[in-house]
Amino acid sequence: AQTVTQSQPEMSVQEAETVTLSCTYDTSESDYYLFWYKQPPSRQMILVIRQEAYKQQNATENRFSVNFQKAAKSFSLKISDSQLGDAAMYFCAYRGNLNRDDKIIFGKGTRLHILP
Amino acid sequence: GAVVSQHPSWVICKSGTSVKIECRSLDFQATTMFWYRQFPKQSLMLMATSNEGSKATYEQGVEKDKFLINHASLTLSTLTVTSAHPEDSSFYICSARDYSGRPWPQHFGDGTRLSIL
Repeated sequence: AQTVTQSQPEMSVQEAETVTLSCTYDTSESDYYLFWYKQPPSRQMILVIRQEAYKQQNATENRFSVNFQKAAKSFSLKISDSQLGDAAMYFCAYRGNLNRDDKIIFGKGTRLHILP
Repeated sequence: GAVVSQHPSWVICKSGTSVKIECRSLDFQATTMFWYRQFPKQSLMLMATSNEGSKATYEQGVEKDKFLINHASLTLSTLTVTSAHPEDSSFYICSARDYSGRPWPQHFGDGTRLSIL
């Protein structure tokens, strides 16, 4: 079975600084997707960034980028120029691609605090 | 963009009653919908996967008779918590996917906070 591990329950970063959230996963599949979701206090689930496993190039979305190391099964999220609005719970997630009902498996999350 | 509407957003009811939560895809046909449960300060745990017109597939440990899922149309799935008790209090989130040849994106509703007194 696939698992997603986030080893940092909480992190803090100074506003305007850069922070990296760690994530490792375990799978025997070769084709899959990895995601980072943001859940602010409103509890909405917001997709931050997505990475297809077959792509070697790391995904980027404005201030958010990932470091995808497929062999090491590592998928970290880097947030540059941190802003107060980035404060939230961040979930790393995995989804296989064997069939259409493949479910998203979430890690336990990392709560990110932004210090003004 | 695609929107998933979840209703109600918050419900408080007495122990022993049944509560229905609706999940609607507003501008796409959701062939597959997922129901998650989230305890305070914890992750989302998948409860079940439902496909339109067929029985839901429940995750291990989830009581089928307690959490009834119906996906009768391509735009609506419902979760009914039957004979709810305080331990069923939680945050429930639905998610829907438009299977148009791509396995993503997966759109999330805003969640339902269920409080059983």
